[in-house]
Amino acid sequence: ETGVTQSPTHLIKTRGQQVTLRCSSQSGHNTVSWYQQALGQGPQFIFQYYREEENGRGNFPPRFSGLQFPNYSSELNVNALELDDSALYLCASSLASPLVSGGTDTQYFGPGTRLTVL
Amino acid sequence: GESVGLHLPTLSVQEGDNSIINCAYSNSASDYFIWYKQESGKGPQFIIDIRSNMDKRQGQRVTVLLNKTVKHLSLQIAATQPGDSAVYFCAENIGGGSYIPTFGRGTSLIVHP
Repeated sequence: ETGVTQSPTHLIKTRGQQVTLRCSSQSGHNTVSWYQQALGQGPQFIFQYYREEENGRGNFPPRFSGLQFPNYSSELNVNALELDDSALYLCASSLASPLVSGGTDTQYFGPGTRLTVL
Repeated sequence: GESVGLHLPTLSVQEGDNSIINCAYSNSASDYFIWYKQESGKGPQFIIDIRSNMDKRQGQRVTVLLNKTVKHLSLQIAATQPGDSAVYFCAENIGGGSYIPTFGRGTSLIVHP
């Protein structure tokens, strides 16, 4: 096990609703990244937080937002859900700042939250 | 746009055989590559990585080869075991202190006992 946990495991929402997914990083890990993984595809990078500030963002609209807290937990919020948002959402934590490691620090993934939008 | 892709979506091997999983990338600015293993119901698990200033790196039963000339990456698994059955992803990262990882689609490895 990686020591990274996510909740809930599964979630069903309807189009237009808002959802909050949660992640608890390994203790001491200052960096958390969120990914969206559609069925049969590789994970797509959403964004990354380092010490509670957004540190990088992939090609996702502003209705995808996040928060990172001092206690190594974080949230992914998605507003105005669309059918295409149905996916497995993964968080991953790492120890070092990407600015120091150049993005090469090992990431530890949680098991994911399966979101279904109807 | 530039992307990471895999040649084979599914690879079936017999237990004890060596497995080779291939990956093509097209972004010449990428300087760091990672292989992940994802088992059903779990998140990706780091296997091995390689920087662009290397062409080979070995781990326990795994070897990653990088050919920058043809932008090709491969993962070799020696003496494949049933527990190696999973989906394998390569990922690339553009350096310069940023972190914009790009994952390929994945290859499903099936190991028959």
